[in-house]
Amino acid sequence: SYVLTQPPSVSVAPGETAKITCGGNKIGSKSVHWYQQKPGQAPVLIIYYDSDRPSGIPDRVSGSTFGNTATLTISSVEAGDEADYYCQVWDSGTDYSGVFGGGTKLTVL
Amino acid sequence: QVQLQESGPGLVKPSQTLSLTCTVSGDSISSGSYYWSWIRQPAGKGLEWIGRLYTRGSTNYNPSLKSRVTISLDPSKNQFSLKLSSVTAADTAAYFCARGSGSGSATPLDLWGQGTLVTVSP
Repeated sequence: SYVLTQPPSVSVAPGETAKITCGGNKIGSKSVHWYQQKPGQAPVLIIYYDSDRPSGIPDRVSGSTFGNTATLTISSVEAGDEADYYCQVWDSGTDYSGVFGGGTKLTVL
Repeated sequence: QVQLQESGPGLVKPSQTLSLTCTVSGDSISSGSYYWSWIRQPAGKGLEWIGRLYTRGSTNYNPSLKSRVTISLDPSKNQFSLKLSSVTAADTAAYFCARGSGSGSATPLDLWGQGTLVTVSP
C-alpha cells in the first residue's frame, strides 16, 4: 500500500516560514491535498491539487510538489497557525484508496 | 450553505456492528458528482480513510478494512451511512464524514462533518 511520510513536528517563531514535507514514491505524479486540524475540530482543506487554495485561505499558505516530496509552506507564521497538518492522496494502485500522511504538529514558538 | 452532520451510537459492544449516518443539509445528496467519504481518528493519532461512495453508486474501501465495511446512500433521507462489522477496541475513534468534490477521482475532501466519538467497550 502507498505510504506518505511526514515529520512528526515542526517548530517556528512567529513571522518566520514553516515548511512541512510529505514524502511518497513518485508523489509528484499524484494530486496532493493538505488539511489543517486544530484541537477538538474537524480537518479543514487548505491546499488542493498540489497548490490551489480554497477561498478564505490566505496566500501566505502555499503548496508545491516535486519528485518524491510535496511541501506545504506557511509564510509569516502566526500563533493561529498552530495545528496539525495532514497531506493526502488517492492511490490508484489500490482501487483509489485514500491515504493520509501521519500528520505534522506545527508549534509556533 | 451545505453542512454535514454525523449521528449514531456513541458506545458499541465488541463483535457488534458500528452504524453511523451522515446527514447532508443545504443541498441534495444526489445532485452533482460527489464522493461521500468516512474517515476516522483514534484519540491522539492521525487520520485514517475508511471508504467512499460516489453519487453514481460505485464504492472504494480501505483495503485494511474492506472485509468489514459497507457504505451506502439513502437519497430519500439525504443521508449516507457507514457500517463496520465485528468491531474491537481498536475501532474506538472519532468518525468523520466528508464530501469530495472536483474533477476526476482524486478529489479533495472539501467539506467535513464535526465528527462523532464511538467507543467500543463491553
